[in-house]
Amino acid sequence: AQSVTQLDSQVPVFEEAPVELRCNYSSSVSVYLFWYVQYPNQGLQLLLKYLSGSTLVKGINGFEAEFNKSQTSFHLRKPSVHISDTAEYFCAVSPSGAGSYQLTFGKGTKLSVIP
Amino acid sequence: DSGVTQTPKHLITATGQRVTLRCSPRSGDLSVYWYQQSLDQGLQFLIQYYNGEERAKGNILERFSAQQFPDLHSELNLSSLELGDSALYFCASSVTSGKTGELFFGEGSRLTVL
Repeated sequence: AQSVTQLDSQVPVFEEAPVELRCNYSSSVSVYLFWYVQYPNQGLQLLLKYLSGSTLVKGINGFEAEFNKSQTSFHLRKPSVHISDTAEYFCAVSPSGAGSYQLTFGKGTKLSVIP
Repeated sequence: DSGVTQTPKHLITATGQRVTLRCSPRSGDLSVYWYQQSLDQGLQFLIQYYNGEERAKGNILERFSAQQFPDLHSELNLSSLELGDSALYFCASSVTSGKTGELFFGEGSRLTVL
């Protein structure tokens, strides 16, 4: 079984400042890692994913994340946030070897960008 | 637009009632997933169907059931509803030809049980 811990439930940040949203996971098997974003009144949308290869993954809207196997972390970063980045962000894992892409989500981090 | 369609968007009903939520996956996707999102539990995986057959089961209550039809749309049936069943129910679908692991989510069906 897998579990995901998002260490911050809410993160306020000023516009154009950098941000890091933290994610740690636990798993007894190899995993794929994802960050999804949920804008108000919308479904979840994939930001980026780590399947294999380079541990630094770039996604949409200027976001990137780094997979750290030793620390079982997959933190999300953006060097300069915009008002439009205000949303809830979810870290998720799935077993890498299974045919099912069942995702286990963290509880989410609400990012509020302050003008 | 993810290409996943869920109906209804909002539903208000009373305790003890039964409702059906419907999901049409993206064209070509064979897998459908149901998730429940609530304030206290977060996003919980309920069940997955692949090409009409149940593939994986998560934290789905016995009062809940789902199925996937030959045209690949799926329905989630919730019965003997309780106040605690109030939540946002998401459907997602996935590409099954490769191991990308990406799910495409619909906008959800918000269920309110009074």
